[in-house]
Order: sequence, then structure tokens, then C-alpha cells
Amino acid sequence: DTAVSQTPKYLVTQMGNDKSIKCEQNLGHDTMYWYKQDSKKFLKIMFSYNNKELIINETVPNRFSPKSPDKAHLNLHINSLELGDSAVYFCASSPMAGGSYNEQFFGPGTRLTVL
Amino acid sequence: KNQVEQSPQSLIILEGKNCTLQCNYTVSPFSNLRWYKQDTGRGPVSLTIMTFSENTKSNGRYTATLDADTKQSSLHITASQLSDSASYICVVSAVGDYKLSFGAGTTVTVRA
Repeated sequence: DTAVSQTPKYLVTQMGNDKSIKCEQNLGHDTMYWYKQDSKKFLKIMFSYNNKELIINETVPNRFSPKSPDKAHLNLHINSLELGDSAVYFCASSPMAGGSYNEQFFGPGTRLTVL
Repeated sequence: KNQVEQSPQSLIILEGKNCTLQCNYTVSPFSNLRWYKQDTGRGPVSLTIMTFSENTKSNGRYTATLDADTKQSSLHITASQLSDSASYICVVSAVGDYKLSFGAGTTVTVRA
């Protein structure tokens, strides 16, 4: 199936741990994104890579570090997890960065729970 | 600051009925406006994308309208079905900006 996939779907961990979320897209897109959706359902952009180059880097704690080994992958590593990091994290991809008909395709999300 | 406001926050309708969701934005300069549908536990899926010159766009039983002068958009759902129960998110982008501005969404519940 052509899609944006994320692993794991659920992640439950203790405060202070380090964890990673992986994202892969096989749509041939140039641009990938990480979003955080909190309990109020707002989707907030965290990072975006275009052809492996970081183009969006919102004000997030430096405990969050994205890594794009190639155009099809964008992983998110989180150090020293805190309770406030609990949320659903969505990966997305689009054919290019910006543009009028530049539709973003979202992954299924990773629900992170920090205890 | 670019903002997107949606109303109502939530609504309940009976199966077969119509409903209209509203989106007001202050994003400038305007590039395009999208409506996404997000089912519970899943990622958002695009329903429509409209640019400045487009007033209306349909996708099956979903019809989006855009008034770029008043900076308002609406999403009309016709003959609602149980599967329409979801959150509908209005997303606006500005010219030259990679980032999108998201509304908080309207949660629609369709009851039999």
C-alpha cells in the first residue's frame, strides 16, 4: 500500500526515558513533517524536512530531535521524556514544500503516554 | 498572527440530515484553504483544497465554499451518514510560508 506509516502506534513509557518514533512514506514525496496533537485536538507543527534539509523548526524543547536519513524517512527522537510530552504525534508528507495544491498526507499517528 | 477559528466546536445531527461547519481565518497573504476529516484514532485526510480564485469545491456529499473577501469558508455535509462522525479541520496556508495554520476542528456526531 502506498501510504505514510508510523511505528509504533502506541508508546507507553516512564518519565525520563528516551524514545524514538519512526516514519516512512512511499509516495515519492520531497517533504515530510512532524505534528503534535494534544488533548484539545490542535495540530501543531514541530519540524519539516524538504529533501533531507530542515525547513521548519518550531519552538520545541531541544529534547526533541528529528532525523531524516533519506527523503522517505523522518524519525523523531525524544530525550528525557516528560509528562507534558503525552500526546498523539503525526507524521505527514507532501509532494513539495509550499504551493497551492500541495496536499499533505498524514500517517495514522503514534499515541505517546508518559507515566 | 495567522489564525483559524472554527465553529461550532461540536454538533450532533441525525442521520440523513444536512449540516454546515464554519471557518474564519486571518491568514495573509492567502494561498489556499483545505478541509480535512479526522476519524477517531486516525490521521487527518484531505477533503478539499481551494485557492483564492475558487468559490466552491465538492467531494461527494461534502461541499466547501470560500469567500476570500470576508475570509470565510464553510463545509456543507449533505445527507449525513454515520461514517461522517469525525472531526473536521480547517487549514489555511499563506503565500511563501511552509507552515499551515490549523483550526481546532469541529466534532460532528451523526446519530441513527
